[in-house]
Amino acid sequence: AAGVIQSPRHLIKEKRETATLKCYPIPRHDTVYWYQQGPGQDPQFLISFYEKMQSDKGSIPDRFSAQQFSDYHSELNMSSLELGDSALYFCASSLGSGTDTQYFGPGTRLTVL
Amino acid sequence: AQSVAQPEDQVNVAEGNPLTVKCTYSVSGNPYLFWYVQYPNRGLQFLLKYITGDNLVKGSYGFEAEFNKSQTSFHLKKPSALVSDSALYFCAVRDPSNDYKLSFGAGTTVTVRA
Repeated sequence: AAGVIQSPRHLIKEKRETATLKCYPIPRHDTVYWYQQGPGQDPQFLISFYEKMQSDKGSIPDRFSAQQFSDYHSELNMSSLELGDSALYFCASSLGSGTDTQYFGPGTRLTVL
Repeated sequence: AQSVAQPEDQVNVAEGNPLTVKCTYSVSGNPYLFWYVQYPNRGLQFLLKYITGDNLVKGSYGFEAEFNKSQTSFHLKKPSALVSDSALYFCAVRDPSNDYKLSFGAGTTVTVRA
């Protein structure tokens, strides 16, 4: 079965640079979520979109922005990168935002030098 | 606010023995509860969920979990552990009356020795 696709899988950036992470949800899924997992930590919710509209917002820095496009894929844009942004970024998708399960992608490992 | 606690950082069991990973939750309404497993350098894999109905939920790879409302717990269990079950396990909760996000526990590292 098709899963959530994230690209790139690994990304290395310098401080103050920008990064764009992409997420392609499972076909027919209309809801996308972004989570950040720091080293040795649990995933922390950043932001979510349902039918291309922001549906919920968590602890996402102002330096970050995201959107969901007409084909339901989503992009997380990160600017003025800091060392502390180094983490594993997960995208998850679900069909609707009701009882349906969030299925996670393999993640993008961002390293900021 | 919703939250999850996993009181054990690590659980060690011998192969073939029962495995239990503990989880307690706190939400204002009726919870949606989930278990995910994470292997090294991999994403989170869904194991099972409780939304409503039967308190005993069966999931993937022989895992099950029991929802206990009075104890606000949702412990993950497997009758006979395998070495391949060694991984990091996360309990997560969602309060459907408030928002969409999952709140995760800190995770429990399970090690199954041969």
